[in-house]
Amino acid sequence: EVQLVESGGGLVQPGGSLRLSCAASGFTFSHYEMNWVRQAPGKGLEWVSYINSNGITKYYADSVKGRFTISRDSAKNSLYLQMNSLRAEDTALYYCVRGESQGHFQHWGQGTLVTVSS
Amino acid sequence: SYVLTQPPSVSVAPGKTARITCGGNNIGGKPVHWYQQKPGQAPVLVIYYDRDRPSEIPERFSGSNSENTATLTVSRVEAGDEADYYCQVWDSSSDHVVFGGGTKLTVL
Repeated sequence: EVQLVESGGGLVQPGGSLRLSCAASGFTFSHYEMNWVRQAPGKGLEWVSYINSNGITKYYADSVKGRFTISRDSAKNSLYLQMNSLRAEDTALYYCVRGESQGHFQHWGQGTLVTVSS
Repeated sequence: SYVLTQPPSVSVAPGKTARITCGGNNIGGKPVHWYQQKPGQAPVLVIYYDRDRPSEIPERFSGSNSENTATLTVSRVEAGDEADYYCQVWDSSSDHVVFGGGTKLTVL
């Protein structure tokens, strides 16, 4: 069974940093592209970042480019999101999501909540 | 950047057919995927590559995509289908994943 378990969320002040982690299991992590998708309270889904299977190709939403960094460690079956210069508008539930061959997302974690507030 | 437009809400009586649209410039040329999200839960993939269904999704869910509009159709709607629905594409011109704004399906 595919499992994606996020951690690392919490309350942080504006301008602060946070590192999210996603522990993957139930599949060969190194074979799959991975993404972070977020959802602000009461709002829709927003894609945040993508990383390919070998960790070389990375893409970011315009809203986070230059502030967030996606990475992965296949030895630890883990995905990460380093978030710097956090803003109130980054407050959201952050989902770790496995990418599939047609660009769709069949497996989602349960999310970790990030709250940016003073 | 590429924009996907969904109606904010769609209402339908039980047993009837709901159609949720997703508009985008020449969206017919892109694979479109659909997700269902119920309150407090992670999204669930219901349709991928325009019209394919994951094995666990009922046949009542179907999809189509042509020209500037993709459509998710839910036949014989049940109370349990009440949820938010999102369409999604990959925009190769910007290397971005794009979600529609979401449609709340209400079962009357």
